[in-house]
Amino acid sequence: DAKTTQPNSMESNEEEPVHLPCNHSTISGTDYIHWYRQLPSQGPEYVIHGLTSNVNNRMASLAIAEDRKSSTLILHRATLRDAAVYYCILRDPPHLRGGSNYKLTFGKGTLLTVNP
Amino acid sequence: ETGVTQTPRHLVMGMTNKKSLKCEQHLGHNAMYWYKQSAKKPLELMFVYSLEERVENNSVPSRFSPECPNSSHLFLHLHTLQPEDSALYLCASSRIPGQGAYEQYFGPGTRLTVT
Repeated sequence: DAKTTQPNSMESNEEEPVHLPCNHSTISGTDYIHWYRQLPSQGPEYVIHGLTSNVNNRMASLAIAEDRKSSTLILHRATLRDAAVYYCILRDPPHLRGGSNYKLTFGKGTLLTVNP
Repeated sequence: ETGVTQTPRHLVMGMTNKKSLKCEQHLGHNAMYWYKQSAKKPLELMFVYSLEERVENNSVPSRFSPECPNSSHLFLHLHTLQPEDSALYLCASSRIPGQGAYEQYFGPGTRLTVT
């Protein structure tokens, strides 16, 4: 599996933007970039995913480098409820069947602290 | 609320006990998962069920026994556990890969303590 590298921790202030980086220099041409987060005392939750183009949804934006070797999850205005561990994960394309595409391989992620 | 519920939320058991963890999903998914999250370790995938058949068993000891009686319910039967099995056990569900969006939806977990 292609690996991702994230900073162990980051800190932000409330209502300011947060840019969470992820390096994936060995990404294959078909790997999708997924982000999940885990709030304290909860299970992980899906945030966003993309392939090449930047993506936006109600939770966040995903900016993908042109060479796809890195990506950045952007929270436009951090709130205290955004304090969580954020995971960047590479996955096979959604149309692929087969065993490997059931796997969601979590690393250590980035612990985001949001200061009031 | 993610549409995935787990019971109990907390469980304390002795090493000679037998207990079961229950997971239920209300999302119409056909794949269900058990993960283990130990302190200061990444989440580890334990078992995967697709259409009620086990498709993945990640070298999990036999003292953990999963059961998937239908696509909405998943159980993890526990017996003769060790203290090092104390962890957060998370259930998740998703569509089967190849059938569109395949994000996994997680329950809140069961915090298990083995004494």
